[in-house]
Amino acid sequence: QKEVEQDPGPLSVPEGAIVSLNCTYSNSAFQYFMWYRQYSRKGPELLMYTYSSGNKEDGRFTAQVDKSSKYISLFIRDSQPSDSATYLCATQLSNFGNEKLTFGTGTRLTIIP
Amino acid sequence: AAGVIQSPRHLIKEKRETATLKCYPIPRHDTVYWYQQGPGQDPQFLISFYEKMQSDKGSIPDRFSAQQFSDYHSELNMSSLELGDSALYFCASSLEGGRAGYNEQFFGPGTRLTVL
Repeated sequence: QKEVEQDPGPLSVPEGAIVSLNCTYSNSAFQYFMWYRQYSRKGPELLMYTYSSGNKEDGRFTAQVDKSSKYISLFIRDSQPSDSATYLCATQLSNFGNEKLTFGTGTRLTIIP
Repeated sequence: AAGVIQSPRHLIKEKRETATLKCYPIPRHDTVYWYQQGPGQDPQFLISFYEKMQSDKGSIPDRFSAQQFSDYHSELNMSSLELGDSALYFCASSLEGGRAGYNEQFFGPGTRLTVL
């Protein structure tokens, strides 16, 4: 069983819609939870990170972590065609000691103008 | 701002050949990570280096080796290539020592390796 599970999609929504992306994880020791965005032929870039449970908002993006259910979510409000990309959730045991990232498979998102 | 540089961007090799992938981290970054992303797969951690010493090892085959040099660039050496090694190889860098706040890993554009 993969440590981080993510629905690969693809997911297509009309411009302006609210997008919900989700992941589940199995290792309760994970403390940091990230969302990366990956455009075609580019490397992943960090969108947001969250430490432990809670919500974090950055503009149109909101990340949620529920450690009790081991559930990670990313919400995109007022989605734009430029948001079309693959979104990868990732986890870390800690953020010290050069800790590796454990990724989900990624969800391919298309925003239709 | 300077980003992580990887070379080559594309590489085509035959089975049983060798390949060397290079990574140049963001200036002053002291840590390098290598990830392998197969088609439709999540990036899998291979190996990391901090201050030129190996700091962690993941699912890296024995046929692969890597090192970080005095100028902090890193090379991933792959021998006896197999068809299953065809993947996108990402390098990421971060600043572990002396940093404040979240230690972000910055990814390069990747090297696409195709083994025929």
